[in-house]
Amino acid sequence: SQQGEEDPQALSIQEGENATMNCSYKTSINNLQWYRQNSGRGLVHLILIRSNEREKHSGRLRVTLDTSKKSSSLLITASRAADTASYFCATEANSGGSNYKLTFGKGTLLTVNP
Amino acid sequence: NAGVTQTPKFRVLKTGQSMTLLCAQDMNHEYMYWYRQDPGMGLRLIHYSVGEGTTAKGEVPDGYNVSRLKKQNFLLGLESAAPSQTSVYFCASSYRSRGLETQYFGPGTRLLVL
Repeated sequence: SQQGEEDPQALSIQEGENATMNCSYKTSINNLQWYRQNSGRGLVHLILIRSNEREKHSGRLRVTLDTSKKSSSLLITASRAADTASYFCATEANSGGSNYKLTFGKGTLLTVNP
Repeated sequence: NAGVTQTPKFRVLKTGQSMTLLCAQDMNHEYMYWYRQDPGMGLRLIHYSVGEGTTAKGEVPDGYNVSRLKKQNFLLGLESAAPSQTSVYFCASSYRSRGLETQYFGPGTRLLVL
């Protein structure tokens, strides 16, 4: 079953606007990651936030994590047409042992209109 | 570095035929993964490997087999293809550093089973 669930499923904005995507998950995690997938391509890692971190920045990306609500958000500021892609959150469950698998959500399709 | 490569890029099979998908990585990563991506389902883990000579089942392993005879290669086999296996298959590799892991994805293989 899916651990992470992104919201909304699709988002359409104008170039220059900010885009916010949310991810909710069910179980305790070690870390949460965001990936981007351009149409017809593989996923590319964007940013990782540990369970003991609340906010992280990377360029125009800002990720927040609220472990009490089991949720994360990805903010892309000053969006560009090139940001058009699907965005996935992935969680690494805190299951102990050597079970390090990532569980991916279903993704948010972001369209940035020029 | 080529990163993660997958062959073939696209394949059409008839029900009951067999085939092998090849994933190769040149980053000396220990961990490798096979996922399938279906519309509205996100990525689902089929099988994974934590090192040469080891394999383990993921979320949806039925109908697939894998082998990791060499560290750089991870093969996914379909012994008797079914229409339900029509999907886009992604391979990924990773390593753990300071308890953290991010995955590097290949470009995908589109498989159509008629």
